[in-house]
Amino acid sequence: AQTVTQSQPEMSVQEAETVTLSCTYDTSESDYYLFWYKQPPSRQMILVIRQEAYKQQNATENRFSVNFQKAAKSFSLKISDSQLGDAAMYFCAYRGGYSGGGADGLTFGKGTHLIIQP
Amino acid sequence: DSGVTQTPKHLITATGQRVTLRCSPRSGDLSVYWYQQSLDQGLQFLIQYYNGEERAKGNILERFSAQQFPDLHSELNLSSLELGDSALYFCASTRGSSLRELFFGEGSRLTVL
Repeated sequence: AQTVTQSQPEMSVQEAETVTLSCTYDTSESDYYLFWYKQPPSRQMILVIRQEAYKQQNATENRFSVNFQKAAKSFSLKISDSQLGDAAMYFCAYRGGYSGGGADGLTFGKGTHLIIQP
Repeated sequence: DSGVTQTPKHLITATGQRVTLRCSPRSGDLSVYWYQQSLDQGLQFLIQYYNGEERAKGNILERFSAQQFPDLHSELNLSSLELGDSALYFCASTRGSSLRELFFGEGSRLTVL
């Protein structure tokens, strides 16, 4: 079974600075997607960014970018110019399953609570 | 707005009772997933339906059941409720034709007293 590990339960960053959230995963599949979801206090799960495993180029969405290291099974999220609205729980998630049958939903890490210091 | 609608948003009930949570997926989405989010267990996959049929089960208790109807909406039934069932229950949907992201509803907060 796939596992997703987020080793940082909580991170704190000054407003306008850069922070990196770590994520590692374990899989034997070759075709999969990786995601970062954000869960603010409103509790809505919001997609931040996605990365297709077959793409070598790291995904970028405005101030959010990833460092995808497929061989190392690492998928970190970098937030540049941090803003107060970035404060939330961030979940790393894996989606695969087409090669092995069974559920093809998301497997989540435990999350990282990001605090933005004004 | 993700396009996924969940009702009710909040529900308070007593131990031993039964509740039904409802989910309407995004228009055109055939796959529906149910997740449970609790403080100690994180986000746990419960069950998946695809076009009306159960596709996969995760960590779903025998006291829980679900179904997906012909109009593709889904219901999660929780019975003989225990204090430990208090959690946020999310529904998510996707078209099922790729490995792209799931779209989540706002969740149903269940409190068992």
